[in-house]
Amino acid sequence: EVQLVESGGGLAQPGGSLRLSCAASGLTLSSYSMNWVRQAPGKGLEWVSYISSSSTIYYADSVKGRFTISRDTAKNSLYLQMNSLTAEDTAMYYCARIGVVLARPFDYWGQGTLVTVSS
Amino acid sequence: DIQMTQSPSSLSASVGDRVTITCRASQIISNYLNWYQQKPGKAPRLLIYAASSLQSGVPSRFSGSGSGTDFTLTISSLQPEDFATYYCQQSYSPLAVTFGGGTKVKIK
Repeated sequence: EVQLVESGGGLAQPGGSLRLSCAASGLTLSSYSMNWVRQAPGKGLEWVSYISSSSTIYYADSVKGRFTISRDTAKNSLYLQMNSLTAEDTAMYYCARIGVVLARPFDYWGQGTLVTVSS
Repeated sequence: DIQMTQSPSSLSASVGDRVTITCRASQIISNYLNWYQQKPGKAPRLLIYAASSLQSGVPSRFSGSGSGTDFTLTISSLQPEDFATYYCQQSYSPLAVTFGGGTKVKIK
């Protein structure tokens, strides 16, 4: 059974940093393209970042230059390093796998980890 | 970026009703359109991919249609567990995936 478990969320000060983790089981994470998606309280879904199985990386304009996506093959984990945080980064952060079918849907999601940026 | 416009933003319906949600893309996306269901406090769940393909384990009362810029999610007979928020997503541009604003399906 595929499981994705996020961790690392919490309270951060404006300008601060956090590192989110997504631990995978039931799949070899490096064989798939993975994403981070966030959802501000009471709002819709916003794609944040993507890493392909061949390590091509993309970021949303809203986080470019501040966030870094990475992967550790040995730990079968995905990461999101978040720097220069602002209140607008307050959200639930989900990791999601891209399925190997047409239209590249996000077929498995973690339960999310909450990031709150506040002084 | 490709903009995705969902309508309505919310609707009220009764158990057994047929419900239709639409999603319009700001440019042609072929069939690179996926639908998700999200319940409060839970992660989104994939329902439909490639505009009309039913994800494994999803009840057959859910269906999707459309191509190009206009897409539809239909629930043929609304069940109590279907009250949730539904999102469309375009994956035509992998470097800028975008979601619709969501449609909240409420109990009438």
